[in-house]
Amino acid sequence: SQQGEEDPQALSIQEGENATMNCSYKTSINNLQWYRQNSGRGLVHLILIRSNEREKHSGRLRVTLDTSKKSSSLLITASRAADTASYFCATDDFNKFYFGSGTKLNVKP
Amino acid sequence: GAGVSQSPSNKVTEKGKDVELRCDPISGHTALYWYRQSLGQGLEFLIYFQGNSAPDKSGLPSDRFSAERTGGSVSTLTIQRTQQEDSAVYLCASSVSLGGRTISYEQYFGPGTRLTVT
Repeated sequence: SQQGEEDPQALSIQEGENATMNCSYKTSINNLQWYRQNSGRGLVHLILIRSNEREKHSGRLRVTLDTSKKSSSLLITASRAADTASYFCATDDFNKFYFGSGTKLNVKP
Repeated sequence: GAGVSQSPSNKVTEKGKDVELRCDPISGHTALYWYRQSLGQGLEFLIYFQGNSAPDKSGLPSDRFSAERTGGSVSTLTIQRTQQEDSAVYLCASSVSLGGRTISYEQYFGPGTRLTVT
């Protein structure tokens, strides 16, 4: 399976701290994306990184991609209580998307 | 603009009954996906529609599951003879994609339909 797997499964931090989540996958990818989900409902796209990119920033988000290790990380800096959610990585082979089981982030105020 | 909508938002049904779940994608999005998410789990790919091409049904868990997309827009996921293990949130997503070899774009998700089979 090409499915991405996030690590850790759960993460609890204090507001203001940084949160780092990792994603590993098994086969070649086209893109890797990170999504956020609140309360088990629809996912919201956060950031996309292409296979030929190594790092990307968007606001307080920083994503890295290491295709040699088949891994990616999502860093959320200066976390806020509102960042509490589940975070998923998704890889694709142009036509289908493969989601991991997610990291549940809890940011304590 | 309008996002992806799904209906109903919640559905409780008795074991053995058929259910239909509806998805209205964003206008102009040619790609449409259905996923299933069990409680506390990741997303399980079910089916993918791209334009007028034959759908990719490789993720459907059994022949009780089927999906249609009419006119390249609205999609309906049908589960026949529901079982308790079908209880989950069913998520629909759409994205922009180009003809030929699909270029992936971000997916826009609907709010999901929570299905409970009693």
